[in-house]
Amino acid sequence: LAKTTQPISMDSYEGQEVNITCSHNNIATNDYITWYQQFPSQGPRFIIQGYKTKVTNEVASLFIPADRKSSTLSLPRVSLSDTAVYYCLVGDGGGYQKVTFGTGTKLQVIP
Amino acid sequence: GAVVSQHPSWVICKSGTSVKIECRSLDFQATTMFWYRQFPKQSLMLMATSNEGSKATYEQGVEKDKFLINHASLTLSTLTVTSAHPEDSSFYICSARDLVRGGHNQPQHFGDGTRLSIL
Repeated sequence: LAKTTQPISMDSYEGQEVNITCSHNNIATNDYITWYQQFPSQGPRFIIQGYKTKVTNEVASLFIPADRKSSTLSLPRVSLSDTAVYYCLVGDGGGYQKVTFGTGTKLQVIP
Repeated sequence: GAVVSQHPSWVICKSGTSVKIECRSLDFQATTMFWYRQFPKQSLMLMATSNEGSKATYEQGVEKDKFLINHASLTLSTLTVTSAHPEDSSFYICSARDLVRGGHNQPQHFGDGTRLSIL
């Protein structure tokens, strides 16, 4: 299983764009990159998934360089409700493949 | 979208009792579900992989006789914490993938977790 490394914590003011980078140096050819958000006492919630280049949805963008050894989650104009822990996961997308959670990044949005 | 439901969301019980936690996939079939445990201010730790109709696969260091997993149907997996003690107090979370509609690169869908407190 590919291991991921993220900053332990980040602070941001409301309205700013936040970029959280994840390193996954031993990512395999078949691995997808998935980001989750977790609030206290809740299960993780899917944010975005990608394989290469850039993916965008209604809540975030995911940037993946050509070597795929890292990825960056971009949250535009964060609000206080975006305060949460963000996890980057790497797996081969195979349905029965287990994934391992890293430490995650605790994002604190400041008013 | 796919929904995974856990029950109960919160349970308190005395030391020595057994506690069963249910994980249901509400609108899809899940031949495989995953069980995680999360201690305060820590990340999720995979405990076991639950396989429908067969034995669960446990991660290293997880006692299979302590944490009994039953996956008797395509929409239900249960985790039973037997003879629970205070050190078993934790947040237990299950997850599953909708492989039929979504294909192999579908992300996991997580339940909202069960807070277990052993007195």
